[in-house]
Formats: sequence, structure tokens, C-alpha cells
Amino acid sequence: EAGVAQSPRYKIIEKRQSVAFWCNPISGHATLYWYQQILGQGPKLLIQFQNNGVVDDSQLPKDRFSAERLKGVDSTLKIQPAKLEDSAVYLCASSRTLYEQYFGPGTRLTVT
Amino acid sequence: DAKTTQPPSMDCAEGRAANLPCNHSTISGNEYVYWYRQIHSQGPQYIIHGLKNNETNEMASLIITEDRKSSTLILPHATLRDTAVYYCIVALYNQGGKLIFGQGTELSVKP
Repeated sequence: EAGVAQSPRYKIIEKRQSVAFWCNPISGHATLYWYQQILGQGPKLLIQFQNNGVVDDSQLPKDRFSAERLKGVDSTLKIQPAKLEDSAVYLCASSRTLYEQYFGPGTRLTVT
Repeated sequence: DAKTTQPPSMDCAEGRAANLPCNHSTISGNEYVYWYRQIHSQGPQYIIHGLKNNETNEMASLIITEDRKSSTLILPHATLRDTAVYYCIVALYNQGGKLIFGQGTELSVKP
């Protein structure tokens, strides 16, 4: 089966600009996650969707980050405006079971 | 904060067993132990999970001590492609989606 797709793979923006990331989960996976991974650290969960509803967004900086999952399939994560500390890899994952998540390759964001 | 403690790095000779330890002394009775790994420039990959019994699959074995305060992930015949950061995570089963990743162990498999 096809894996989790993410685009773009790389993005460079200046601070205060906006950026959006796209994720297409594995077909049939109801749960979708967005993680932020800063260099040298483990991934940190930003938001979890079950179908098109938000299950957990407690770690999402809502003043600048937003995410949506229309029709319970694809998802977008947006940052507006970006800060230097947002430089990281943004990972999307999906799952059908509670214990096994499948991760995409990630989008590497550099904010200058 | 992560509820597990892992050594920051380990080396293993190719073809030998790699034994990765994890301390989770504050684990509660209904929390599971999950292992994921992350190969450089890729997203994490699920390996195995368990509650109290030892578990084995095609990738690895998970040995959990009787008091459940620690566990060991065993890669029986490590290859160069097993070089990765290995994460040990504890979470409730119904929160298996809410994984809190720590720093992990960077395993280097050497020829």
C-alpha cells in the first residue's frame, strides 16, 4: 500500500511569512497526526484528528498554527506568521489501530 | 516529559544481537511499552509494543521485566540498515496515538 505522502519536502521562508504543509494519509486510516521535530529532539505531537474531528490539539500554538482535515482524508498544517523557532521537520502520521502509526517523510522548514 | 530513560548512544557489531535497554520505573499498570525507530532523514517507524508479556515479531523481541520497571528491545541479528535512533515510549493503550517521544538511543551498527 502507498505510504503517507507529504509536500513540500523542503521549504525556506523568512520570519513573519506564512507557510502551509500538506499530508495525504494511508487510505482507510481514520486517525491523522501532525508532529514537530526540532533538530536533536524526538517528535512532539501538535494535533491529532479522528476522521475530520480534532481529538487533541493541546500542544498546538494556536496563535500561529492551524490545521484542518476536510472530508476526513487530506490535511493541511499552516503557520502564520512564522518565527525562527519554528524551524523544524513537520511530520504527518496516520493510523488505523491505536498502537501503530505510519509516518511520512516529513517537511523540513527553515525560517530565516 | 518523557517517562522513560534510555542511554543516548550504543554501538553494535553487524550480525550480532543489539540489546537496547529502557527504564520506565514509574509505569502504571495499564500503560504499554512501545518502541519506534527513526532512520536518518525518515519518519519514525513502529517496531513493537507490549504490556507485560514478552513479545516477538519479524523485526524484534521485547523483553519486559516482571516488575515492569524496565524493558529491553532485542534486534537478533543487527545489520547496517538498523542504524537509527530508537525510542522507547510508555502510553495507555487507548492513548497509543498520544506518543511522547524522548531523546531515544542512537544505535550505530558497525561492520
